[in-house]
Amino acid sequence: SQQGEEDPQALSIQEGKNATMNCSYKTSINNLQWYRQNSGRGLVHLILIRSNEREKHSGRLRVTLDTSKKSSSLLITASRAADTASYFCATDAKAYKLSFGAGTTVTVRA
Amino acid sequence: NAGVTQTPKFQVLKTGQSMTLQCAQDMNHEYMSWYRQDPGMGLRLIHYSVGAGITDQGEVPNGYNVSRSTTEDFPLRLLSAAPSQTSVYFCASSYGSKGQPQHFGDGTRLSIL
Repeated sequence: SQQGEEDPQALSIQEGKNATMNCSYKTSINNLQWYRQNSGRGLVHLILIRSNEREKHSGRLRVTLDTSKKSSSLLITASRAADTASYFCATDAKAYKLSFGAGTTVTVRA
Repeated sequence: NAGVTQTPKFQVLKTGQSMTLQCAQDMNHEYMSWYRQDPGMGLRLIHYSVGAGITDQGEVPNGYNVSRSTTEDFPLRLLSAAPSQTSVYFCASSYGSKGQPQHFGDGTRLSIL
């Protein structure tokens, strides 16, 4: 079964606006990662946040982690057409086994 | 730097046929893994390897076989293809398995008729 679940399943936003998606997981983790997947391509790593961290930034991306609620959020600020993609969270609850959610599909409208 | 290379990109098989999906990485990564991606289900781990000569099962290993004779290569073998194995297959690698970003190939799109 999947450890992480993203919400919402799909998101449509206007260019320039912020996009937020959430990830919930079931068991304790060491770290949580976010990946992006463009249509027809492999996944690309965005950010890794460790269980003892609460917030992390990378460019226009902001990730938060709340281990008490077993949840994480990914915020994309000032969205661009190039941000149109699927976004996945992945957790490592079990050693050597990264578990992915089903993803959030983001569409950025002009 | 090529990263993770998967071949072929597309393949159509008939039920019962066997084939090998190739995966190679040039980053000297110890950890390699295979996933399948099906609509609405995200990625599911098939098999993984923590180094040459060491492999183990993931979440959905049935019907697949792997070996790791070198650091660079991690082929995935379908022993007797079934329609349920129609999927997109991704290979990934990383320096380690814990707390390390995974580098993904662009996938092999496999259809079993």
